[in-house]
Amino acid sequence: DVKVTQSSRYLVKRTGEKVFLECVQDMDHENMFWYRQDPGLGLRLIYFSYDVKMKEKGDIPEGYSVSREKKERFSLILESASTNQTSMYLCASTNYRGEGYTFGSGTRLTVV
Amino acid sequence: EDQVTQSPEALRLQEGESSSLNCSYTVSGLRGLFWYRQDPGKGPEFLFTLYSAGEEKEKERLKATLTKKESFLHITAPKPEDSATYLCAVVNYGGSQGNLIFGKGTKLSVKP
Repeated sequence: DVKVTQSSRYLVKRTGEKVFLECVQDMDHENMFWYRQDPGLGLRLIYFSYDVKMKEKGDIPEGYSVSREKKERFSLILESASTNQTSMYLCASTNYRGEGYTFGSGTRLTVV
Repeated sequence: EDQVTQSPEALRLQEGESSSLNCSYTVSGLRGLFWYRQDPGKGPEFLFTLYSAGEEKEKERLKATLTKKESFLHITAPKPEDSATYLCAVVNYGGSQGNLIFGKGTKLSVKP
């Protein structure tokens, strides 16, 4: 089975901190995604990457950046955390055809 | 604009009371439709992928069907452990590689 591992289940950070969320997949998938999930808004795409060092903006990229230095790892960076970035963050991966969509277990981030 | 709408938002059933969840979609070209189950505080868990109208897939008490405009998730004789939020998502040919467009989900509660 594909495994997508997110490094932290719960994080509490202070406003203004730089925050790193890490995601690792073990099935050699080309595509990786970061979503955030909020009550009443559903899942929204922040950024995605279809190859090492490649990235594209999703629907809500403001306040975020990403890094993909290795195929298996995709990092989401909050440059200066704000309270409105308190959310559940979900990482996902697929092969280049968009098959095998698998999510990680999520990181619940609270910014205080 | 590509869109996915799920109904109802919430559904309460008695154990053994069969019902259906609806997912209607408008996309420029459907590459695939996904159903996920999500438990509180966890990432979405893959259930089914459907690719073409008329296709059906089953897993235990769940059966997913697809038409050109909508998909149904039928739940037969549900049990309390089926309680979860069920998410529908589509991937289209015109969009970014493998980007899922999600509905807001149906929260299912099954009472014993």
